Amino acid sequence: EAQVTQNPRYLITVTGKKLTVTCSQNMNHEYMSWYRQDPGLGLRQIYYSMNVEVTDKGDVPEGYKVSRKEKRNFPLILESPSPNQTSLYFCASSREGEEQYFGPGTRLTVT
Amino acid sequence: AQKITQTQPGMFVQEKEAVTLDCTYDTSDPSYGLFWYKQPSSGEMIFLIYQGSYDQQNATEGRYSLNFQKARKSANLVISASQLGDSAMYFCAMRDGASYDKVIFGPGTSLSVIP
Repeated sequence: EAQVTQNPRYLITVTGKKLTVTCSQNMNHEYMSWYRQDPGLGLRQIYYSMNVEVTDKGDVPEGYKVSRKEKRNFPLILESPSPNQTSLYFCASSREGEEQYFGPGTRLTVT
Repeated sequence: AQKITQTQPGMFVQEKEAVTLDCTYDTSDPSYGLFWYKQPSSGEMIFLIYQGSYDQQNATEGRYSLNFQKARKSANLVISASQLGDSAMYFCAMRDGASYDKVIFGPGTSLSVIP
């Protein structure tokens, strides 16, 4: 089954404790992205990647890191999470110019 | 700067009626793509329909159609024969031609279908 998987689905952590949210797709898509969703703001792009070792900043990259060492994986790293990073996070993948396939989302709470 | 505007935070529609969800966009790039996604209360994001800036005809997918008015920079989603399962958040999104994966989303419209 074609899908984008994210783990964990739910995470509660404390300020400053490094965490990684994994994202994996099995569709051989070149393009992958991370978004955060906050009420009233829609989805805002954090980082995106056009292929292995090629990443670029989206609209809200501060406080986040990503890496794309393999085509299928695109982890999101929060080196020192803060409460303002409490949000719903989505990973997505696509072929060039086509619609995005989204993961199920990761709900992160930073206390 | 690119921007997507959805001016209707919430909408109600009677079951079996048609409804139009508004989306206006702003870009200086002549090549771009417009998308609509649905997010039910369960949280997943579901692709509905796509319109390319050079497409001559309005896109249609089953009960969904896109009313694309390029000169007015609007890409409204029309849902015909609304069903209870259409109750969800709807997001308009745009990808510009220069960077295939730089995508911006509007704030969304919450649609409630009334039996």
